[in-house]
Amino acid sequence: KQEVTQIPAALSVPEGENLVLNCSFTDSAIYNLQWFRQDPGKGLTSLLLIQSSQREQTSGRLNASLDKSSGRSTLYIAASQPGDSATYLCAVGSKAAGNKLTFGGGTRVLVKP
Amino acid sequence: GAVVSQHPSRVICKSGTSVKIECRSLDFQATTMFWYRQFPKQSLMLMATSNEGSKATYEQGVEKDKFLINHASLTLSTLTVTSAHPEDSSFYICSASFPSRAGVGETQYFGPGTRLLVL
Repeated sequence: KQEVTQIPAALSVPEGENLVLNCSFTDSAIYNLQWFRQDPGKGLTSLLLIQSSQREQTSGRLNASLDKSSGRSTLYIAASQPGDSATYLCAVGSKAAGNKLTFGGGTRVLVKP
Repeated sequence: GAVVSQHPSRVICKSGTSVKIECRSLDFQATTMFWYRQFPKQSLMLMATSNEGSKATYEQGVEKDKFLINHASLTLSTLTVTSAHPEDSSFYICSASFPSRAGVGETQYFGPGTRLLVL
């Protein structure tokens, strides 16, 4: 059974610092891995989707890497801003689970001005 | 991009009543829809998977008689929380997907969520 872990559970940084969020998964037979942002009381906003054949994806200040063999993904957010404060979730689409996604516990990020 | 809507966005009801939540794919036909539940400060937990025209598949520990799922068309799935109780208060999120090319997992598009409060 796929298990997804996100470390740290919470992170507080001053504005301007780069953010590094980690996601690890136990079963490397995946279709894809996706990073989401969730603001308090709101739904999910998809940030980046990495297919299993890809090593990374970039969008603006965001960059996500994927290392299937070690079961890890890292989300980098450059030059953080207070507006980046949110909870970041990673989710893995496992081949063994069909089309189901397994979510990590999330990392709550606070960027202090 | 693919858009998924949910209705209502929030609902407050009395204990013992039933609540229906709708999930619609607005600009694509969704062969599969998923229902998740999220408790405060926790991650999303998959409740069930539904395919159009067939019975939903429930995850272990989810009562199918309490959480009724209907997927009558390729653009609409409904979740009915029957005889709701305070412990059912949660944030319910749906997602929808459509077939992708072979070897690539289907992308799920998420709705904005429905907050249920049972008094």
